[in-house]
Amino acid sequence: AQSVTQLDSQVPVFEEAPVELRCNYSSSVSVYLFWYVQYPNQGLQLLLKYLSGSTLVKGINGFEAEFNKSQTSFHLRKPSVHISDTAEYFCAVSYSGGGADGLTFGKGTHLIIQP
Amino acid sequence: ETGVTQTPRHLVMGMTNKKSLKCEQHLGHNAMYWYKQSAKKPLELMFVYNFKEQTENNSVPSRFSPECPNSSHLFLHLHTLQPEDSALYLCASSQALGDTDTQYFGPGTRLTVL
Repeated sequence: AQSVTQLDSQVPVFEEAPVELRCNYSSSVSVYLFWYVQYPNQGLQLLLKYLSGSTLVKGINGFEAEFNKSQTSFHLRKPSVHISDTAEYFCAVSYSGGGADGLTFGKGTHLIIQP
Repeated sequence: ETGVTQTPRHLVMGMTNKKSLKCEQHLGHNAMYWYKQSAKKPLELMFVYNFKEQTENNSVPSRFSPECPNSSHLFLHLHTLQPEDSALYLCASSQALGDTDTQYFGPGTRLTVL
């Protein structure tokens, strides 16, 4: 079974500082990786995804993530955060041939931006 | 309306009540999903529909009953729920049921079972 680990349940960061949210997955097959963001009282919104090709993926709102197959990681980064980035961030994985199994999500990381 | 909408946004019900959650997608997608989001736990996939046909039921108790009358609408019928069923229920849709298809989520229904 697939699993996704987001080690940090909460990450406090000062405004305009860089941030990295960690995500590791377990899989022995080809995977596709996603980061979603959930703002308060809203559903999940796709930030970015890795399907194939370049391991550095750029998404919306200045976020990017790097796929590292050897370390089975897909960490999310932003060079300078803003108050509006305060939200819950979810890493998710699907795998080749998974089809109806859908996405497996991590528990989420709450990003708290401090002024 | 655009994207994925869900009604109601909030629902409080007793354990003997019967209620339904509604989801509608305006994206022309063919696959729809129900997820349960509980505090401090990963999102749990409950049901998957593809072209109105149920393709996945992740061992969900029978007190949750899904219905998909067409590719745009998805319902979750609730009866004799338990307090531990209190959670945010999210609906999502995707173009197809492929591994690489992006899922688009609705805002969720916050359910409280008394």
